[in-house]
Parts: sequence; structure tokens; C-alpha cells
Amino acid sequence: DTEVTQTPKHLVMGMTNKKSLKCEQHMGHRAMYWYKQKAKKPPELMFVYSYEKLSINESVPSRFSPECPNSSLLNLHLHALQPEDSALYLCASSLGQGFPEAFFGQGTRLTVV
Amino acid sequence: KNEVEQSPQNLTAQEGEFITINCSYSVGISALHWLQQHPGGGIVSLFMLSSGKKKHGRLIATINIQEKHSSLHITASHPRDSAVYICAVHAHNSGGGADGLTFGKGTHLIIQP
Repeated sequence: DTEVTQTPKHLVMGMTNKKSLKCEQHMGHRAMYWYKQKAKKPPELMFVYSYEKLSINESVPSRFSPECPNSSLLNLHLHALQPEDSALYLCASSLGQGFPEAFFGQGTRLTVV
Repeated sequence: KNEVEQSPQNLTAQEGEFITINCSYSVGISALHWLQQHPGGGIVSLFMLSSGKKKHGRLIATINIQEKHSSLHITASHPRDSAVYICAVHAHNSGGGADGLTFGKGTHLIIQP
């Protein structure tokens, strides 16, 4: 299994809603990443988890709350988002610290209305 | 100045043409990725390179570490190759942390029948 699975594929939410994005991998990777990608722009790193601990938070607003409940699962909890948060949210994983090979999920297309 | 520069930004070619996309970077890296993204879709990793050359089907990727330059070639291009091709580097991190990838802005390739 060399897949990173993201759910849902599409999500429309209101500004007062609370929702969660999910990312799962069963490759034994110990580093997992959240990226945000706006249209026609490259992905921007949001968070990195290494061995289930938050390693990097790239100054992301608190309305985005990551969680890594175990080594296979990464969540991104969303609350009180703004329309400008609409984007493609990509999850990736790699073997661990210093291992550069990355596997990407298909992304969640988020629309905030 | 971006750490990863790609050229061209946009490329339109006829089916069957030989395609070259270039990537230059300014930081020390442990690996370079070539990624493919179809419209509205997730990212697929085509190659990860740390030296030399790799080939997969009609795709060839080369890297020159001394010159900090990589190229992606597509032979006998086909309309289904139409996508955004992204160069991304895994920079050296003296702290040893898992710090994600640094992305180029992508090359939007259109292959016309």
C-alpha cells in the first residue's frame, strides 16, 4: 500500500461550521504534512508532524487545528473559517526525519461560503 | 528571489513533440522531486532525484548537483500529458527536522492533438 488517502474529496462549509479533514497512510511513515494550495499557486506548507508530535507550524491561524492521533492518521480541524481559506488542502507523508521521498494524497477541495 | 525557479511557466506544444521543463534552485538539497498535478487534482510524484538521471516510460529526469539544475523531458508527448509539472526540493536541514518541500511555481503544459 503506497497511498495517502484523504477524505472528504470535496467539502463546502459555512463560516460558522466546524469540520475536519482526514489523512491516512499505512506505509509506516513517521512524518506527515499539511499543505494549502490556492488556485494556480504552488502548495504552501502549513504543519509538519514528526513521530506524532507537531514539528513545524508555519504561522497558521488558530482556526486551523492539526491533530495526529496515531502514526497512520492526521487530521485538520477547521473552525470559523473565512472565504479566503477556500483552497485545495493536500496531505503528504514521508518515512521520517531527513527522508525526502514524499507521497501525496489527492487533496480535499474546500469551499468556505 | 524564489529558492526554486522553473521555466517556462507555460508551454503549449503539438502532440509528438519533445518537451523540456527546467528547474534551478539556490539552496543545498538532499533531493529534488518532479511532481505532476492535473487540474483540480492531487499531486503525483513522478521522480525523486539526488543525482544523475532517471527514466520512466516516456519521462526522463536529470539533475546536475554542481550546477543546481534539473530538467524533466517528455518524449513523444500526448494530450494526456497536459498538466502542471512542479519541481520541489527537499533542502538540507542542519537541525535534522522534517521540514517539508520547497516548491517551484509550476509549468502549465498543454499538448494539443
